[in-house]
Amino acid sequence: DSGVTQTPKHLITATGQRVTLRCSPRSGDLSVYWYQQSLDQGLQFLIQYYNGEERAKGNILERFSAQQFPDLHSELNLSSLELGDSALYFCASSALVTSGEETQYFGPGTRLLVL
Amino acid sequence: QKEVEQDPGPLSVPEGAIVSLNCTYSNSAFQYFMWYRQYSRKGPELLMYTYSSGNKEDGRFTAQVDKSSKYISLFIRDSQPSDSATYLCAAFTGFQKLVFGTGTRLLVSP
Repeated sequence: DSGVTQTPKHLITATGQRVTLRCSPRSGDLSVYWYQQSLDQGLQFLIQYYNGEERAKGNILERFSAQQFPDLHSELNLSSLELGDSALYFCASSALVTSGEETQYFGPGTRLLVL
Repeated sequence: QKEVEQDPGPLSVPEGAIVSLNCTYSNSAFQYFMWYRQYSRKGPELLMYTYSSGNKEDGRFTAQVDKSSKYISLFIRDSQPSDSATYLCAAFTGFQKLVFGTGTRLLVSP
């Protein structure tokens, strides 16, 4: 168990809908990362937050947004969902901002299926 | 071209075999290299972490980085059925995002 929790574990929704994925980092970790994992693209970095502030952006679509709250939990909002958004969404946390020494600990993921 | 390339496999070996998993990368700025293991329906977990070129050993696992050829390897000695998983290599410049390979699926048969 990495100490990172994600809810829900599974989510089934329809195209055009909006969903919110939730992540609680390990105790003491200030950085939260969101990743999307699909069969053809592998693990793709979406966005990073550090202590409530956006730190780095990856291949995140404009339909997607995230935030990190004062208690350090984070939410990833996916809107106007398309079939291609079906994937595993992982949250990871780490103690440091940007350092080669940092280790990212991954949560169990949320499996999203858009029908 | 992807920044980190990895053969998706699957790679099938008998129990006890030495496994070699490999990745190539294109960004010369990468300095930190990791190997993650991902079991089915689970999140990736960090196995090995190396900085720059050289070898690093941890039990049955050895990570090797050759920056001159932009090649990173993970060796697993005395492979066990419990090693069956997808292995993801990742690279990091130290200032930007972690870049993952697509993963190699390893199957170790008893």
